Amino acid sequence: DVKVTQSSRYLVKRTGEKVFLECVQDMDHENMFWYRQDPGLGLRLIYFSYDVKMKEKGDIPEGYSVSREKKERFSLILESASTNQTSMYLCASSLGVIGNEKLFFGSGTQLSVL
Amino acid sequence: DQQVKQNSPSLSVQEGRISILNCDYTNSMFDYFLWYKKYPAEGPTFLISISSIKDKNEDGRFTVFLNKSAKHLSLHIVPSQPGDSAVYFCAASAQGNKLVFGAGTILRVKS
Repeated sequence: DVKVTQSSRYLVKRTGEKVFLECVQDMDHENMFWYRQDPGLGLRLIYFSYDVKMKEKGDIPEGYSVSREKKERFSLILESASTNQTSMYLCASSLGVIGNEKLFFGSGTQLSVL
Repeated sequence: DQQVKQNSPSLSVQEGRISILNCDYTNSMFDYFLWYKKYPAEGPTFLISISSIKDKNEDGRFTVFLNKSAKHLSLHIVPSQPGDSAVYFCAASAQGNKLVFGAGTILRVKS
């Protein structure tokens, strides 16, 4: 069965801390994505990766960076957490076949920055 | 600039009746459309999709309609069940590029 696993369900961090959100997929998917979900704004793309060591900015990359050293793992890094980064963070992966852009999501990490 | 819009934040429907969720888009290059369902404390799960070469796709109780001239798609759920209560996201992509999501519609099915 398809699985995308996010390391933490809930996280509470302080302003200015460096935060790591980890995501692992077991489907051998080429593509991986990080979204944040906020009420009234839906899912907004932060960063994505089409291959190992490749990364591309999404729609809201400011304040974030990513790392993809292995195909199955995609990490989101908040260099210096701020209160406006309090959100639900969702990791996803896909095969990357044009015409079948179905994403598989993890359960999400609810991050609170105090 | 929202390229995918779900103008109804919420919808309430009686069990057994039809639920219709709407989605409008502005980018004429979009050629693949998907609906996702999300329960609280879970990630979104894929529900149904449609390619721009079709105007209808059906899967059990779920049907998606695409009107390219109006840049509008809708999801019909018949009959609605209490377990369908969730947030529904519409998403679109252009030629294999990243998905763009709408803001979501909260569906409540009352028993």
